Amino acid sequence: DAEITQSPRHKITETGRQVTLACHQTWNHNNMFWYRQDLGHGLRLIHYSYGVQDTNKGEVSDGYSVSRSNTEDLPLTLESAASSQTSVYFCASSESTRGGQYFGPGTRLTVT
Amino acid sequence: DQQVKQNSPSLSVQEGRISILNCDYTNSMFDYFLWYKKYPAEGPTFLISISSIKDKNEDGRFTVFLNKSAKHLSLHIVPSQPGDSAVYFCAASAPTGGFKTIFGAGTRLFVKA
Repeated sequence: DAEITQSPRHKITETGRQVTLACHQTWNHNNMFWYRQDLGHGLRLIHYSYGVQDTNKGEVSDGYSVSRSNTEDLPLTLESAASSQTSVYFCASSESTRGGQYFGPGTRLTVT
Repeated sequence: DQQVKQNSPSLSVQEGRISILNCDYTNSMFDYFLWYKKYPAEGPTFLISISSIKDKNEDGRFTVFLNKSAKHLSLHIVPSQPGDSAVYFCAASAPTGGFKTIFGAGTRLFVKA
């Protein structure tokens, strides 16, 4: 069965370190997204991609970057982790730009 | 400035009764709306969507109503079941700005047996 996976599921890191969260989907979807979920804010879009070599900034992109070298993967990098980036991160993919998205299980990141 | 607002953080309903979850939006360019359901420690799951050319869409026990003039949509769950207890997110997108999806803060639904 097709799926979308995230790794690691939990990570603790120190302020200032570079961190990369992995996202891998086997749906063969062109569209992939990264969100963060914080209490009172719901899901906020960090970056998104509509195909290989395409990346776009979302609502809260400062301090984050992504790259899309193939259809299956969209890694999210925190260049220099800050305590404000402590959150739960969700990756998603979709077949169409407007349709429902399939979400991964999430990565809980703690920056100390 | 939240463009998609879910003003009720939580809702409690008796099993078998109707659950009504509400959502308001401010951006008149939104033309596509979605509802997602989320259980603890899992990713959100897509439930149902509606385009602005419609005012109602139904899928089994779930119905979404859209009132464009009031910039309001609602999700009706009939009958409610204990397994429906989850956080429900309303989301919207516009044909401008890259079709980004904007989510509300969520409403936690408790269905009591």
